[in-house]
Formats: sequence, structure tokens, C-alpha cells
Amino acid sequence: KAGVTQTPRYLIKTRGQQVTLSCSPISGHRSVSWYQQTPGQGLQFLFEYFSETQRNKGNFPGRFSGRQFSNSRSEMNVSTLELGDSALYLCASSLAEGYTEAFFGQGTRLTVV
Amino acid sequence: AQKVTQAQTEISVVEKEDVTLDCVYETRDTTYYLFWYKQPPSGELVFLIRRNSFDEQNEISGRYSWNFQKSTSSFNFTITASQVVDSAVYFCALSEDPSGSRLTFGEGTQLTVNP
Repeated sequence: KAGVTQTPRYLIKTRGQQVTLSCSPISGHRSVSWYQQTPGQGLQFLFEYFSETQRNKGNFPGRFSGRQFSNSRSEMNVSTLELGDSALYLCASSLAEGYTEAFFGQGTRLTVV
Repeated sequence: AQKVTQAQTEISVVEKEDVTLDCVYETRDTTYYLFWYKQPPSGELVFLIRRNSFDEQNEISGRYSWNFQKSTSSFNFTITASQVVDSAVYFCALSEDPSGSRLTFGEGTQLTVNP
């Protein structure tokens, strides 16, 4: 069974640009969550999508957005990049039903210069 | 608001030593779920255990054991006879969702096991 796949693995962008990250969940998983990991702030929840709808949102500015497609694949977008957006972005998928757990991808390492 | 605190930033032990990673949490929810994840250098978080708030039974899985104490809001993780392969960052996390789809993480504990 394939795990959670995130692309690309590494990305370098310039301040002011925008970026789109992709996450393919485990087959059958309908919930996709995104997290930002930085040395200063640790692991922080960005948002969760379930059945193409944003179900929960963390405390991040509107520059951070996402969407989920009918096949449960998800993308997150960051517009007007700032140096502080440099981070490891992790995606997690889960069944979103019953007692289960979230499975994480290896992340996308974004560097803003 | 939920909060998870892992006071130990870094722990260094010698192989075969036992080591305990501490986790203290805060939540107003009466039903909640606690998790431990391991993050090796590759970056992905590997699920270790989930514990429901209404089940205070301790659990042992091989060299790993977990001590959940609701009275002190703690969910500590012990590795017995540590091995070099246990070296990683360990995160404790809390969620109100049983599937763990919206996790509040602690700061993480970097465990280094030296040969």
C-alpha cells in the first residue's frame, strides 16, 4: 500500500513569489491535513480538508490556502512568500472515521530566499 | 485551547540505557486523544501510539511503554534498553478527533542514543 506522497521534496523560491505544494494521500483516505514545521515554532497545524471542503483551519494568515480534489489529493498554496515561510511542510492523511491515526508524508522542504 | 509541553529538548543516553520522554498536556475537552510520533532524519512522522482519554491503561509494545496519568495530565513514553536506531525526534500530540486529523504537537524531544 503506497504511503502519503508529497511533491516536490525540495523547493527554493524568492520572496514575493507564490508556491504550490502537492499531497497524494493513502488510497481510501478522505482527510488531508497540512502542517508547518520550523525550528522556532515547531509543528503547527495549517488546515484540514475532508471531501473537498476545508473542515478545520489553524492560525495562519490568508496567504496560506489549500484545496482538495475529488480523488482526495490536496494542494496547498502560499502567496507572496516571506522569508519566515521557509519550513518543512508536512501532509498527513487519515480515514477520518473511527479510531485510526494520521499517516505523514516525508514533507516538502521550502526555502525562501 | 489545547497545549502540549515536552520539557526535555534533548536527551543523550548510551545504548542499552532506559530513557523516559515526558509529555504534559492541557485541554478543556473531556474526550481527547493523545499520540506519540517519531521523526527520523528523513522527515516523515511515524505513528507510535494513540491513547484515548477514557482509557488509562498503560501499554507496552516490545521495548516501548507508555504511562498515561489523567490526574497529572501526563503521557510519558519509556524506551527500555535503547538502541542507536531509536535516535530521532519524538513528538507528543493531542487531538479532539479520534483519527488524529488535527493535532496539537509538543516541541519535540531529540533523543540521541550513543553506541
